[in-house]
Amino acid sequence: QQPVQSPQAVILREGEDAVINCSSSKALYSVHWYRQKHGEAPVFLMILLKGGEQKGHEKISASFNEKKQQSSLYLTASQLSYSGTYFCGTSNSGYALNFGKGTSLLVTP
Amino acid sequence: ETGVTQTPRHLVMGMTNKKSLKCEQHLGHNAMYWYKQSAKKPLELMFVYNFKEQTENNSVPSRFSPECPNSSHLFLHLHTLQPEDSALYLCASSQGVGREGRIYNEQFFGPGTRLTVL
Repeated sequence: QQPVQSPQAVILREGEDAVINCSSSKALYSVHWYRQKHGEAPVFLMILLKGGEQKGHEKISASFNEKKQQSSLYLTASQLSYSGTYFCGTSNSGYALNFGKGTSLLVTP
Repeated sequence: ETGVTQTPRHLVMGMTNKKSLKCEQHLGHNAMYWYKQSAKKPLELMFVYNFKEQTENNSVPSRFSPECPNSSHLFLHLHTLQPEDSALYLCASSQGVGREGRIYNEQFFGPGTRLTVL
């Protein structure tokens, strides 16, 4: 079941904050976040596991609400390098992921 | 460089051709994945191999045939493809899931093969 991401696109000025949301209609074991720049492979940002464990990027934070089956990615004090498409991937079986359609983020000077 | 390489990077083939995509990971991982990425569509999981055994086949047409000879190599054999199969094919690897259960499983993606079917 494909998770739903919102918003579809965001434009920020450098230094501003953004939140990207990911929700699923099914119970989740884990949520993964990846960023993909144009013409490049997706790059791992963060994993959040049921039960509260997480592992990821130092400057990016995220939350996982198990009851609501939702996750949010928080980008604070955005930098130009944050531009790209952000994907959440959800799993209820351990490691096989279903990805959302992505959120396009553009950070301008 | 993520430690996952894919060849070729670009491939143009006719509908009657047979070709293969290759993926190699140098990370000591035990799980490997094939994804399809089309314009305006999400990443679609195609196949998963965990410790060389196929554990997921996401209703992929039989014209796509995966092969995983060992934990470091993954192939996708293509035959009699359709124009709608044109896409970016991404390979990824992760630690894999052992009997101890689920673990952190961040996936490392290769650069992809851009496939065009004429």
